[in-house]
Amino acid sequence: NAGVTQTPKFRVLKTGQSMTLLCAQDMNHEYMYWYRQDPGMGLRLIHYSVGEGTTAKGEVPDGYNVSRLKKQNFLLGLESAAPSQTSVYFCASSYATGGGEQYFGPGTRLTVT
Amino acid sequence: TQLLEQSPQFLSIQEGENLTVYCNSSSVFSSLQWYRQEPGEGPVLLVTVVTGGEVKKLKRLTFQFGDARKDSSLHITAAQPGDTGLYLCAGAYNNNDMRFGAGTRLTVKP
Repeated sequence: NAGVTQTPKFRVLKTGQSMTLLCAQDMNHEYMYWYRQDPGMGLRLIHYSVGEGTTAKGEVPDGYNVSRLKKQNFLLGLESAAPSQTSVYFCASSYATGGGEQYFGPGTRLTVT
Repeated sequence: TQLLEQSPQFLSIQEGENLTVYCNSSSVFSSLQWYRQEPGEGPVLLVTVVTGGEVKKLKRLTFQFGDARKDSSLHITAAQPGDTGLYLCAGAYNNNDMRFGAGTRLTVKP
């Protein structure tokens, strides 16, 4: 099993450009999450999904959109990138919610200039 | 303001020393988790504590959940260079919404 995979690993964008980050999991997990990690801030939840076709806002959702068209995939979109979105993005999945173990991908390092 | 406050932010010790890191909140959590993250990788779960006052041991690591389920601690005995990493606590906020602390970055020098 590959676990949780993320593509791409690195990306540099110019302000105003758009992009989509892809997360895939092969563990048949219902729950998937997108976080951003910034120095001194820890991991902050952007959006999450409790199942195929459903998404919900987390702590810092502004400027991002997500889609969960297939159970195994969770996409994070930036429509108009801003320098404040420079960060490391992590995707995670879990079998259970409310404290279930989360399995994380290796991260995507995004720089917006 | 972080929902979960971790202290200290940075800790550098010599191999063989003991240490304790803390995770505190004014909110009650149904459970708390501790993760360890190495550079360039995602966090990996170490333990989940569920019951107030619960103590769990994982080899040289001891985790405790506060009686009121608002705080937790991680104690490492005889630290080794392999323990170096970022230690994160996390709690379920409104069931699905996971909140993480900013982490304690531990360096263990040989």
